[in-house]
Amino acid sequence: EIVLTQSPGTLSLSPGERATLSCRASQSVSSTYLAWYQEKPGQAPRLLIYGASSRATGIPDRFSGSGSGTDFTLTISRLEPEDFAVYYCQQCGSSPTFGPGTKVDIK
Amino acid sequence: QVQLVESGGGVVQPGRSLRLSCAASGHTFSMYAMHWVRQAPGKGLEWVALISYDGTNKYYADSVKGRFTISRDNSQNTLYLQMNSLRAEDTAVYYCARDLGGYFVRRLFDSWGQGTLVAVSS
Repeated sequence: EIVLTQSPGTLSLSPGERATLSCRASQSVSSTYLAWYQEKPGQAPRLLIYGASSRATGIPDRFSGSGSGTDFTLTISRLEPEDFAVYYCQQCGSSPTFGPGTKVDIK
Repeated sequence: QVQLVESGGGVVQPGRSLRLSCAASGHTFSMYAMHWVRQAPGKGLEWVALISYDGTNKYYADSVKGRFTISRDNSQNTLYLQMNSLRAEDTAVYYCARDLGGYFVRRLFDSWGQGTLVAVSS
């Protein structure tokens, strides 16, 4: 099973700042198979990025993804108030797994 | 607009059974593979099971294999999860989720329900 780790556990930033979230896999993952989700309290997760760098329908362009192999990054260029949430990476192999999440909270 | 509404959760004793349902609307349900994903209280997300668009192929996480069964009724636009031999560690919010790929399974979840809570406790 591919294990995903995310860092940092919590990221404290102010609106307007840039957020950089990391996801590391225990073994190489095809870029095609790496996704990112956003989860807000009391809501279901929302798909943000798939294929490591493709934005899902309706996702603003301040969200971007990059990376390959075992290291992937989600970047939020300028944090909006609605972006404070928990972010999960996911690998889409035969047995999908999620990372433990990074919480982005207001500084 | 895609809508997925789960039901059937509740409190159940260890070793007992429960069946979850997910009613789908706003899209052609029979064209999409579907999943169950769960989230234990205060924890992260865990994929549980996958069923192909026509119900012929099913896959399970090791943690539920042999105890849970995923199924669907395309005539009723409904997804099911039969959960047997429930354990305390199965306590979680259970989400149904649509696969982004449609007929071609991608194991990406592009629409989610609001979830239903299953609590396994004596």
